[in-house]
Amino acid sequence: AQSVTQLDSQVPVFEEAPVELRCNYSSSVSVYLFWYVQYPNQGLQLLLKYLSGSTLVKGINGFEAEFNKSQTSFHLRKPSVHISDTAEYFCAVSSMNRDDKIIFGKGTRLHILP
Amino acid sequence: SQTIHQWPATLVQPVGSPLSLECTVEGTSNPNLYWYRQAAGRGLQLLFYSVGIGQISSEVPQNLSASRPQDRQFILSSKKLLLSDSGFYLCAWSVPVGGANVLTFGAGSRLTVL
Repeated sequence: AQSVTQLDSQVPVFEEAPVELRCNYSSSVSVYLFWYVQYPNQGLQLLLKYLSGSTLVKGINGFEAEFNKSQTSFHLRKPSVHISDTAEYFCAVSSMNRDDKIIFGKGTRLHILP
Repeated sequence: SQTIHQWPATLVQPVGSPLSLECTVEGTSNPNLYWYRQAAGRGLQLLFYSVGIGQISSEVPQNLSASRPQDRQFILSSKKLLLSDSGFYLCAWSVPVGGANVLTFGAGSRLTVL
């Protein structure tokens, strides 16, 4: 079975500063990895995904994430945040079995400070 | 293009009353369908998922049930709501993309049980 740990429940960052949201996973098999964003009172939207190939994955809104198999991590980064990035961010993992479940972390709330 | 509709968006119900949340998907066939619950500070909890009509898998024992009467319709129900059923309920669908199940979420239904 897979599990996901998001180490920070909240991250405050000044506007235009860089940010990294941490995600570690546990699995005995190869996995797919995802980051989703949730704006207030909305559903979740896919930011980016790692399926195979290059370990550096670029997503929407200037975000990117790097898959590190040896450290079982998939940290999300953005070089310069904007006030509009205020949201909750969820890391998720699934095995490569088509009918396997997607497991989510508990989320990290990103606060952008003016 | 694919769209997912979820309703009602907001619901306030007394303890002991019944519940029905509905989710429909357009523009795809034979999707996997999911119901998640999001409680404050607890991330996303998978409640039910379905890989086909009439096929429902329950992830946690609880006061809720799910049904899939048509290929693109997924219903979450309860006969008698409890206070602990309050939360934000999210429907999602997926089809395999490069072997992975990539989830697309609805806008959510906020349930308050009083």
